[in-house]
Amino acid sequence: HVQLQESGPGLVQPLQTLSLTCTVSGDSISSGLYYWSWIRQPAGGGLEWIGRVYRNGNTNYNPSLKSRVSLSVESSDNRFSLRLDSVTAADTAVYFCVRDSPGATSFDYWGQGILVTVSS
Amino acid sequence: DLTQPPSVSVSPGQTAVITCSGDALPQRFAYWYQLKTGQAPVPVIYKDTERPSGIPDRFSGSTSGTTVTLTISGVQAEDEADYFCQSADTTGTYPIFGGGTKLTVL
Repeated sequence: HVQLQESGPGLVQPLQTLSLTCTVSGDSISSGLYYWSWIRQPAGGGLEWIGRVYRNGNTNYNPSLKSRVSLSVESSDNRFSLRLDSVTAADTAVYFCVRDSPGATSFDYWGQGILVTVSS
Repeated sequence: DLTQPPSVSVSPGQTAVITCSGDALPQRFAYWYQLKTGQAPVPVIYKDTERPSGIPDRFSGSTSGTTVTLTISGVQAEDEADYFCQSADTTGTYPIFGGGTKLTVL
């Protein structure tokens, strides 16, 4: 049974860096069968795909966030991470880590999400 | 862009119909997710019409032209949630989502 769990600070100050980690259980990132993504949802808003990372560190990013986002993978710990620079209140959202489906066209397993608030 | 109605309301036992419109949908598969507060989102339909294992058969998907539809037959109270459609952008590279539809079971 695949499970994903987000962790990290729930409060980040404006213009600082948001850093989150996703720990995967029930599957192995190093298997190379899937991409691993981050998706966010602002309060009362829609879902926004942030980007995806592969076991070898290859990444794809949402063009709207590309200049501020960095994803990485720690295969030995079966984790992958998100870094978002220079955050503002607009980055306040629930952040989900997700396993892409085969072919990376959709998302088949999601974490419960973690609320990150950007505020001083 | 993918366009969904903001809200749909039905009584228990009735049929809920949630649409998702987008110009690229004739060329791209669509996917549907159920989101409940505090829970991990759940895929309920993939590749326009397929239902993942474990999803009740009252959930079904269909497609016609630039619109895909999620139908929930015999709605139950537990189906109250937000539903999002998802597809890919015009290049087929990046995932995009609809704005979401809040299903209220009266």
